[in-house]
Amino acid sequence: EAQVTQNPRYLITVTGKKLTVTCSQNMNHEYMSWYRQDPGLGLRQIYYSMNVEVTDKGDVPEGYKVSRKEKRNFPLILESPSPNQTSLYFCASSRLGEKLFFGSGTQLSVL
Amino acid sequence: SQQGEEDPQALSIQEGENATMNCSYKTSINNLQWYRQNSGRGLVHLILIRSNEREKHSGRLRVTLDTSKKSSSLLITASRAADTASYFCATDQWGNEKLTFGTGTRLTIIP
Repeated sequence: EAQVTQNPRYLITVTGKKLTVTCSQNMNHEYMSWYRQDPGLGLRQIYYSMNVEVTDKGDVPEGYKVSRKEKRNFPLILESPSPNQTSLYFCASSRLGEKLFFGSGTQLSVL
Repeated sequence: SQQGEEDPQALSIQEGENATMNCSYKTSINNLQWYRQNSGRGLVHLILIRSNEREKHSGRLRVTLDTSKKSSSLLITASRAADTASYFCATDQWGNEKLTFGTGTRLTIIP
């Protein structure tokens, strides 16, 4: 089944404790992206990647890192999480210029 | 920065009525897409319309695009309770695969 798999679904952590949210797709998509969703602000793009080893900043990249060492994986890294990074996070992938497939989301709470 | 803005922010209609929501954007686009999100879940792609297209249909969905006004509309005919969701438009520009989402319209269908 074609899908984007995100883990974990829920995560509670404390300020400053490094964490990684994993994202994997099985559709051989070139394009992958991370979004955060906050009430009243819609989806805002954090980082995106056009292909392996090619990543670029979105609209809100501060405090986040990504890597694209393999085509199928695009982890999101928070080196030192802060409470303002409490949010609902989505990973998505697509062929270039085509529709996005979204993961189920990760609800992150930073205390 | 938000490229697309949906209007209205919220809409409630009776089951069986038609629902129309609009999306305005700021800069010239390559593609415009509409997505649906059920509460807290990942977004699901509905329709993609390219900048050289004016109208597209998919089942009960009809999307129009007016590039001179930088706007698009999504019409859902004969609404059903299952159509209750948030609807987002998303745009990308020529030569840039970055997909930018609007803030969404929250649609409630009253049985």
